[in-house]
Amino acid sequence: NAGVTQTPKFQVLKTGQSMTLQCAQDMNHNSMYWYRQDPGMGLRLIYYSASEGTTDKGEVPNGYNVSRLNKREFSLRLESAAPSQTSVYFCASSEEKGNTIYFGEGSWLTVV
Amino acid sequence: AQSVTQPDIHITVSEGASLELRCNYSYGATPYLFWYVQSPGQGLQLLLKYFSGDTLVQGIKGFEAEFKRSQSSFNLRKPSVHWSDAAEYFCAVGPDILTGGGNKLTFGTGTQLKVEL
Repeated sequence: NAGVTQTPKFQVLKTGQSMTLQCAQDMNHNSMYWYRQDPGMGLRLIYYSASEGTTDKGEVPNGYNVSRLNKREFSLRLESAAPSQTSVYFCASSEEKGNTIYFGEGSWLTVV
Repeated sequence: AQSVTQPDIHITVSEGASLELRCNYSYGATPYLFWYVQSPGQGLQLLLKYFSGDTLVQGIKGFEAEFKRSQSSFNLRKPSVHWSDAAEYFCAVGPDILTGGGNKLTFGTGTQLKVEL
C-alpha cells in the first residue's frame, strides 16, 4: 500500500547544482502536485498536473521545472539550486476536483 | 484569490481537555474545506473534509469540524485531547466546484498543538 512515493528523502546541494525530485503514485490518480513547506508559511503549490500531458504553474514556480512522465510519475527539477530553495518538498496526488489529496512523506532539501 | 487564515500559531492544552483550532477562509460561494494533520517528519494526513450538506463534519481520530458560511470559518474540534494528538494542523480550501480550476488547495500556515500530560 505505497500511495505516493518520493525520492530522495534527504539531499544536500551546493548552490548552482541541479537535481530532480522523483514522485510516483500507485492510486491511478489523474492529478499530481508539488508543494514546498517552509516554517510559518504553510504549504505552497509549486506546480501541478491536472492530467497526464498537462502541467500548470502554482503559486511559487520560479526556479523549478516539472515533467509529467506518465500517469504515475511527476518529477520536479531544480536547474540551478539556490539557498532560497532550501525547503521540504511534498508530492501529492488526487482523483478529480474536490477529492482528497494524498501526500508523500516529503523530501528534505538543503542548498548550501 | 482564495486564502486561509489560521490565527493561532501555537496552542497548548492538557491531555483530556477539549480543543478548538480556528480556521477562516476567503473564497467564493462554494468552497470545499479540509483539515490535515502532520506529525514530525511525516507527510500530511487528511482528518476530514467538507464539500456540501451537513455543516458538521466528522473525521478520523475523534475530530470534527463545523462549517459556518456566515463567519467564513471551519474550526476543528475534539472533545478530549490525547497526547498522541500533538502535531501540526493545517486547514485548506479548494476551488469553487462550480467554477472549475482544478483541484488545487490553498493551505493555512498551520497550528502547532502541544499536549501537556
